[in-house]
Amino acid sequence: DAGITQSPRHKVTETGTPVTLRCHQTENHRYMYWYRQDPGHGLRLIHYSYGVKDTDKGEVSDGYSVSRSKTEDFLLTLESATSSQTSVYFCAIRSTGGTGETQYFGPGTRLLVL
Amino acid sequence: GENVEQHPSTLSVQEGDSAVIKCTYSDSASNYFPWYKQELGKGPQLIIDIRSNVGEKKDQRIAVTLNKTAKHFSLHITETQPEDSAVYFCAASYNTDKLIFGTGTRLQVFP
Repeated sequence: DAGITQSPRHKVTETGTPVTLRCHQTENHRYMYWYRQDPGHGLRLIHYSYGVKDTDKGEVSDGYSVSRSKTEDFLLTLESATSSQTSVYFCAIRSTGGTGETQYFGPGTRLLVL
Repeated sequence: GENVEQHPSTLSVQEGDSAVIKCTYSDSASNYFPWYKQELGKGPQLIIDIRSNVGEKKDQRIAVTLNKTAKHFSLHITETQPEDSAVYFCAASYNTDKLIFGTGTRLQVFP
């Protein structure tokens, strides 16, 4: 699992409330990513980080913000949750292995916005 | 930007048969092509990847082929087993960065 944990693993919230999801890694990886997974769309990149305080937008960033104040933690915030943000959220890290760099994924957070 | 198409969306095979999943990509700058297996309730797990300087890569019963000219790559699973049943995703990126995923293939292997 490349030392990646996500919390919470499941969350139910109401429309309009703020939600923060946490990704924690223990192996000092520089690059971290947030993806969302929806039926018929595969996984889509929301935001990514290439170091502490260095973040950038992915293809579906509207309605989301991120922060990375420590190497090990990458936070995804939904400022005002909407039903369209009901999804499964995956964090990934970019790691260098025996045959080169690759991305490994965490276990996911299932979010339901009512 | 990059676009990845994946076919078929579902695939049913008999145990012991081979399974092939195909993906096409649009951006000629893409040079990294991983395949992930996802079981129910779990995160995607990398099973094999290929970079654009290689045409084929094998790992036991799994192989991936890449045709850069045609911009397509394929996953081949031989001697399928029931535990191969899962959803498989292909992806493409430049230098292992922002992955663009296909929409997935649900593989069912019947005993």
